[in-house]
Order: sequence, then structure tokens, then C-alpha cells
Amino acid sequence: EPEVTQTPSHQVTQMGQEVILRCVPISNHLYFYWYRQILGQKVEFLVSFYNNEISEKSEIFDDQFSVERPDGSNFTLKIRSTKLEDSAMYFCASSPQVSNQPQHFGDGTRLSIL
Amino acid sequence: AQSVTQPDIHITVSEGASLELRCNYSYGATPYLFWYVQSPGQGLQLLLKYFSGDTLVQGIKGFEAEFKRSQSSFNLRKPSVHWSDAAEYFCAVGARNTDKLIFGTGTRLQVFP
Repeated sequence: EPEVTQTPSHQVTQMGQEVILRCVPISNHLYFYWYRQILGQKVEFLVSFYNNEISEKSEIFDDQFSVERPDGSNFTLKIRSTKLEDSAMYFCASSPQVSNQPQHFGDGTRLSIL
Repeated sequence: AQSVTQPDIHITVSEGASLELRCNYSYGATPYLFWYVQSPGQGLQLLLKYFSGDTLVQGIKGFEAEFKRSQSSFNLRKPSVHWSDAAEYFCAVGARNTDKLIFGTGTRLQVFP
């Protein structure tokens, strides 16, 4: 069964550094998402992406965050200047359409900010 | 405000026992409802979904869930739990007019032999 794949599985970064988290969505899916889960807290929506532009974003997704689909297969989340509170598990997801179809999640990237 | 509540943080059952995990939601629009499972170190795997129609939905691994609009609930059930079902279970709600899923805080299931 097709899967969403995320790399790396664990990223350790110094505070203030830029980090890029990478995802390969399922190949025939059109909608892409990023969520995060701070340790012990809920999974929270960050952003959705369709047709090469942001479709919807949450309050968390401020100017420090950006997303990109640099080629036909990858979908990236960039955090420009990381803060301690960015430490979390980041999940990428994809779906064939935005509604009436479930989102399929990757295994996540654990981001640790030192 | 939109929200999903999973009242049980941690549930322990014996292998072979029946299971019910509770989920209540508050959502203004007609909801789409999901249950996901997360094993340690793994991502979120979809167990089942409800969009419309029959309010009792079947999922993978022998799980089912029932949508009760009057109670704003979507409880997950399994008649006989296996040790491999030990994991964290998340209820989530979406809707036609938004891309995002709203997740509950999760219920950690522990299974004793």
C-alpha cells in the first residue's frame, strides 16, 4: 500500500538555525498537510497545500514557517529560525482531495531544538 | 469553538476483553469523523472514517465505530482486544469547509495478557 514517507526521522538543531523537514506524499494525491505534536499534547494542524499554494493555515503557522513543493514528489516544511518551543513531532499527510477523503500520515520527524 | 474530547487518557484491558473508546465532538458544520491509531515510534494509521450514510462503520483490525448525532459522539469499539492493539488512539473531526483535522488528546490503550 502506498505510504507517505518523511525524512529524517529525527533532527537535532541548534536554536536559531534553519531546518527543513522533508516529505514524499502518496503519488496520486493532490492535497498535502503538515501537523505537529508537541510532547504530551494534541496533534495540531499547521498548513494545507494545494495546486502549489497554501490552501489553509493555522495561527501557529507564522512567518517563521514556509512550505514548498520543489519538484513533483517532495513537499517540505521550513522553519527559518528555530525556537525551543518548535521541538515537536512533525507529521506530513496527503489526501486525494481535501474533503470526503481521509488524510494519510507519515511516521513523522522528531525535531529537537537545543 | 470546534473541539474533540477523548475523556479517557489511559485505558487498561485484558486480552480478549471488549473495548470501547469514547469520543465527543463539538462542531458547527456536518462533521467528518475519523479514528487513527499510533503505535510507539510510528505515524498515524487510519482505522476508520465516517462521512455520511450508515452510522455504524467498520474499519481495519476488527474495529468499528458508531456515529450518534444526538450525543455528538463517535465511539470506537472492538469485541475482543489483542495484545497488538496496545497503542494510542486518536479521534479526529473534519468538515467540508475546512482542510484541517482537529484531533482529540488521545487515549492510550494498554493490554494485559
